[in-house]
Amino acid sequence: QLQLQESGPGLVKPSETLSLTCTVSGGSISSSSYYWGWIRQPPGKGLEWIGSIYYSGSTYYNPSLKSRVTISVDTSKNQFSLKLSSVTAADTAVYYCARHAAYGPIVVVPAAIDYWGQGTLVTVSS
Amino acid sequence: EIVLTQSPATLSLSPGERATLSCGASQSVSSSYLAWYQQKPGLAPRLLIYDASSRATGIPDRFSGSGSGTDFTLTISRLEPEDFAVYYCQQYGSSPPYTFGQGTKLEIK
Repeated sequence: QLQLQESGPGLVKPSETLSLTCTVSGGSISSSSYYWGWIRQPPGKGLEWIGSIYYSGSTYYNPSLKSRVTISVDTSKNQFSLKLSSVTAADTAVYYCARHAAYGPIVVVPAAIDYWGQGTLVTVSS
Repeated sequence: EIVLTQSPATLSLSPGERATLSCGASQSVSSSYLAWYQQKPGLAPRLLIYDASSRATGIPDRFSGSGSGTDFTLTISRLEPEDFAVYYCQQYGSSPPYTFGQGTKLEIK
């Protein structure tokens, strides 16, 4: 059974960089059938897709966050990571890592999200 | 960016009733690449429907999805007590961002 587990600081100071890692177990992050992504949810609000990465390193980012986001993959550790720079209180949210199906005959892109981590609350506060 | 608008915001029904949730897109969703998720308090979302009408693994057949273009529907044929939750639609058919709707809360009447 595939499992995804987020890890990282639960408290980040304003203007600093939020860093989270997702460890994948029960499956290989190097599969060509999947993308790996980050989604966040501010307390009491809806879901926002942040970005996703393929095992090859190909990435897609939300344009509204693109200037501050970096997603990377470490296939040797079966992990992928999120860095969000210059955070403010508006970045306070539960951050989920997730697996997307991948599709596309020529350019492979993310599809529906079929597995989610349990989520981790990150609070931005001094 | 495709904006998804879900209606109603809140739906109050009783167990055994039929639920119809709508998701409208600001532009046509390519190839009906739209998913539905269920989220219960304190838990991660769960995939119910992908590609507008395909049920995900392990999802009961009382859940069904339909629609194309800009109008999509999630139907729960006969509500069970465990179905009361928040439901989100998401499109993945166009260039990023892969947007979510704002959610519909299905509550017990």
